[in-house]
Amino acid sequence: QQQVRQSPQSLTVWEGETAILNCSYEDSTFNYFPWYQQFPGEGPALLISISSVSDKKEDGRFTIFFNKREKKLSLHITDSQPGDSATYFCAASASWGNEKITFGAGTKLTIKP
Amino acid sequence: GPKVLQIPSHQIIDMGQMVTLNCDPVSNHLYFYWYKQILGQQMEFLVNFYNGKVMEKSKLFKDQFSVERPDGSYFTLKIQPTALEDSAVYFCASSFPGGASNERLFFGHGTKLSVL
Repeated sequence: QQQVRQSPQSLTVWEGETAILNCSYEDSTFNYFPWYQQFPGEGPALLISISSVSDKKEDGRFTIFFNKREKKLSLHITDSQPGDSATYFCAASASWGNEKITFGAGTKLTIKP
Repeated sequence: GPKVLQIPSHQIIDMGQMVTLNCDPVSNHLYFYWYKQILGQQMEFLVNFYNGKVMEKSKLFKDQFSVERPDGSYFTLKIQPTALEDSAVYFCASSFPGGASNERLFFGHGTKLSVL
């Protein structure tokens, strides 16, 4: 049973548009939600994260929207650039500490110039 | 930024052989992790390690798997014997306990293991 689900599996948007990546989770004890960006041949790198006490986190063109009641979150990438083309993983953890992080299956994002 | 180094980047071995994957974590990090990724898909947690001990392991961490970090050297994942289904990219990660940085797992670039 997947504890973190992502949709869509793949997404293509035009340069300059907003890409919206969705994520949902099962475990109510999850309280920390990082998003990782992975380019081919590389390891995932932390992009932006949010804790369950917030409903929005913004960092430049990247924004996380979080709905604790519905156990859903989304990553919005505004003014998409071809360099944003990558696989994005939604992840979750039960603490701010060093608990394991559970990953979703990823969304492969392609930005067309 | 901080770097996690993984050696080698690609390993090809015959089924049944032993393999050791090496990870050089970020220097002041104390928690270490291994994740398994097949065909660019989901990252699956294998194990985490702290103070010389396995803290938690998943069902994917079979009896043939072992981890250690002798005397602060490489953090290693050993598979003995290997099976065909062990073919995957294995990512090492490390983190630092406490403070604002403890939310960050830093990942290496992965070791692609091909079991023939």
